[in-house]
Amino acid sequence: KNQVEQSPQSLIILEGKNCTLQCNYTVSPFSNLRWYKQDTGRGPVSLTIMTFSENTKSNGRYTATLDADTKQSSLHITASQLSDSASYICVVSDNAGNNRKLIWGLGTSLAVNP
Amino acid sequence: GAVVSQHPSWVICKSGTSVKIECRSLDFQATTMFWYRQFPKQSLMLMATSNEGSKATYEQGVEKDKFLINHASLTLSTLTVTSAHPEDSSFYICSAGRGRHSNQPQHFGDGTRLSIL
Repeated sequence: KNQVEQSPQSLIILEGKNCTLQCNYTVSPFSNLRWYKQDTGRGPVSLTIMTFSENTKSNGRYTATLDADTKQSSLHITASQLSDSASYICVVSDNAGNNRKLIWGLGTSLAVNP
Repeated sequence: GAVVSQHPSWVICKSGTSVKIECRSLDFQATTMFWYRQFPKQSLMLMATSNEGSKATYEQGVEKDKFLINHASLTLSTLTVTSAHPEDSSFYICSAGRGRHSNQPQHFGDGTRLSIL
């Protein structure tokens, strides 16, 4: 069964600190992996999209890594800001012909405190 | 960048009412729009894929007569929750993409919070 699991479920850090969120998946065949940021009561906003051949991709203070062999990804946030408080969702797309799907993780809820 | 507008952002209505939600792509033509539903503390669940000019494709377990989708133009898709009941209360989010499959890059609206009394 295709699944995406994220850890930790929630995280509290102080402003200015770094943090790393984890994503493990069992989706096969694999097409791409995405990280989204979702503020409370808002739609998701794309941070990164990585295909099989990409190991790392950055978007400002966000850096995502992908290990397609171990089926793991991480999202590293540098020098956190209060506005980083949100849910971070890992989404994996399969590559199953004409019925390709997005499999969504439950997200990591990040709170950045002053 | 691309912008998707969703309206209304918040609806409160009585049980039995039908509610229409609009999803517009503002600066590109969206061949495909997707409708999601999200319950508190849960991930987004794809309800249906809306292709311009053709019938929507519904996910297993989603009643097509309950959730009517119309995608009459390349910039507008609507979701109508017919005869809504309290269990239909949820956060509904649309997204738009240029491709016909959900794994193409998608741009999300800000969602519609639906509360049925």
